Amino acid sequence: GENVEQHPSTLSVQEGDSAVIKCTYSDSASNYFPWYKQELGKGPQLIIDIRSNVGEKKDQRIAVTLNKTAKHFSLHITETQPEDSAVYFCAAYTGTASKLTFGTGTRLQVTL
Amino acid sequence: KAGVTQTPRYLIKTRGQQVTLSCSPISGHRSVSWYQQTPGQGLQFLFEYFSETQRNKGNFPGRFSGRQFSNSRSEMNVSTLELGDSALYLCASSQSGGHHNEQFFGPGTRLTVL
Repeated sequence: GENVEQHPSTLSVQEGDSAVIKCTYSDSASNYFPWYKQELGKGPQLIIDIRSNVGEKKDQRIAVTLNKTAKHFSLHITETQPEDSAVYFCAAYTGTASKLTFGTGTRLQVTL
Repeated sequence: KAGVTQTPRYLIKTRGQQVTLSCSPISGHRSVSWYQQTPGQGLQFLFEYFSETQRNKGNFPGRFSGRQFSNSRSEMNVSTLELGDSALYLCASSQSGGHHNEQFFGPGTRLTVL
């Protein structure tokens, strides 16, 4: 089955700096890669996603890149703000299995 | 559109009891997936229901079961609760899976087993 690895597990950046979180997946049949942000006491919130026929997608300060050959995908947050502090999860969706497999999460802390 | 709702939000049970959790998906969404979230194991897939049928199942014991009703609302049941079942149980809804597979999560039900 699919296995998703996520790094780093914790990330501390200063306000205004950029943050990058990286994930790798194992199943070449995976075709959809969402990123979720989870704040304390809440469920994961979908913040951006990318499909396997696209290499990059951007939404304001957030961007995601996908390298299908290397089975890597990354989340980039620019101009970080304190409200970006949360746990971020990557995931891979395999249509044949019809399920999301999640990475282990990255705790991002944005300091003033 | 209203988001995914889950009830109850918090639950305390003792070992050996059983529990039923409820999930109402976003209007128009026909797929409901359930996940268990723990500090040690992260987010783990339990099962997915689509049109009242279980379409996929994760690696959990048979004590974990679920069902989906004709209005797409879903319930999951855990019987003979164990201490290790303490977790945040999340449900997520999507339109149909396949290409329309964006999943939107509810706030979760925090289950504590004493």
